Amino acid sequence: NAGVMQNPRHLVRRRGQEARLRCSPMKGHSHVYWYRQLPEEGLKFMVYLQKENIIDESGMPKERFSAEFPKEGPSILRIQQVVRGDSAAYFCASSPRRTATYEQYFGPGTRLTVT
Amino acid sequence: DQQVKQNSPSLSVQEGRISILNCDYTNSMFDYFLWYKKYPAEGPTFLISISSIKDKNEDGRFTVFLNKSAKHLSLHIVPSQPGDSAVYFCAASGDNYGQNFVFGPGTRLSVLP
Repeated sequence: NAGVMQNPRHLVRRRGQEARLRCSPMKGHSHVYWYRQLPEEGLKFMVYLQKENIIDESGMPKERFSAEFPKEGPSILRIQQVVRGDSAAYFCASSPRRTATYEQYFGPGTRLTVT
Repeated sequence: DQQVKQNSPSLSVQEGRISILNCDYTNSMFDYFLWYKKYPAEGPTFLISISSIKDKNEDGRFTVFLNKSAKHLSLHIVPSQPGDSAVYFCAASGDNYGQNFVFGPGTRLSVLP
């Protein structure tokens, strides 16, 4: 049973470009959560999605960031016009139902570097 | 201002000895605390939790202690094994049912054979 998969594992973008991060949840999981870890800081919740719906985006920056979880395919976290401050590790987690953080299964993360 | 602090970025311990990882928090409304372990190239995995109604929770070699008056918790690993080498994060929240956990920056533990 494959775990949560994220790709790419490493992504380098120049300032102003777009970054697309993908997350495939565990089989049977329809709930996806995105977290960000800035350098020297802890993980912070960004957004929670269920298939085709954004349930909670209270941690998402208001501009340039968007997330989707279509009926088919992986969840996508999209960052437009990236800036150096977007450099971070982005983790997604999944669960079979709405759960608290400690019941979610985390992927290995995507490390985004903005040059 | 970080609400959850792990002031030791790294810690080295000899195999078989005790590892003590510390975590301090500032928000007195935090009532639920977690510890996660993260290996390189993997996501964080939940290790152990404690709620504010307890001051100790034990699971095998792992014990978490909570001192609410000092706003301090610690994770003890006894005996430490090389496979325990990882980054350990503590996290805290006012409730245990949401995504509002505040994570610390992590402590890298190295257990030396």
